[in-house]
Amino acid sequence: SQTIHQWPATLVQPVGSPLSLECTVEGTSNPNLYWYRQAAGRGLQLLFYSVGIGQISSEVPQNLSASRPQDRQFILSSKKLLLSDSGFYLCAWSRQNSYEQYFGPGTRLTVT
Amino acid sequence: DQQVKQNSPSLSVQEGRISILNCDYTNSMFDYFLWYKKYPAEGPTFLISISSIKDKNEDGRFTVFLNKSAKHLSLHIVPSQPGDSAVYFCAASPDNYGQNFVFGPGTRLSVLP
Repeated sequence: SQTIHQWPATLVQPVGSPLSLECTVEGTSNPNLYWYRQAAGRGLQLLFYSVGIGQISSEVPQNLSASRPQDRQFILSSKKLLLSDSGFYLCAWSRQNSYEQYFGPGTRLTVT
Repeated sequence: DQQVKQNSPSLSVQEGRISILNCDYTNSMFDYFLWYKKYPAEGPTFLISISSIKDKNEDGRFTVFLNKSAKHLSLHIVPSQPGDSAVYFCAASPDNYGQNFVFGPGTRLSVLP
């Protein structure tokens, strides 16, 4: 069966510090991968998606970047965090040519 | 401008009764719709989906109805159970397999025992 891991579960970082969130998927190959953010009281906002290694599409201009160094690894980064980067970050995967996405447990990021 | 709207931020229903969650969309290019359920501090889990070529899809206690002319879909849960208490997100995508998914803001359902 397929599983998706995200870490850390919670993170408190000061403004201006760097960020690296990691997501890995097991039990499948060549998945589509996604990063979402849920700000307090709001819905899910798609940040990045990837259809293959090194292929990243950004949906929203922002302070964040994503990379996919391996087939089942997706990393969300920032060089300098802003207060507005606080939120709940979710990684998801889907099979190629499938609509259904499967989400990880999420990372609660608080920027202070 | 929100392309997917869930105008009720919250809904309370008595156990055993029907829960109806609504979703409206503005983009006529949307071709596939999904509902996700989310518990606090967890990722959303897929619940049910519907393609634009259908007007109804049923899976156990969950039924999704799509009215394309009104750009409206709804999720019916019957009978409602306390474990159904969660936030429900409606999501829509044009026909490119989820790469441009748009999620609604969610509706918090509380099922009262």
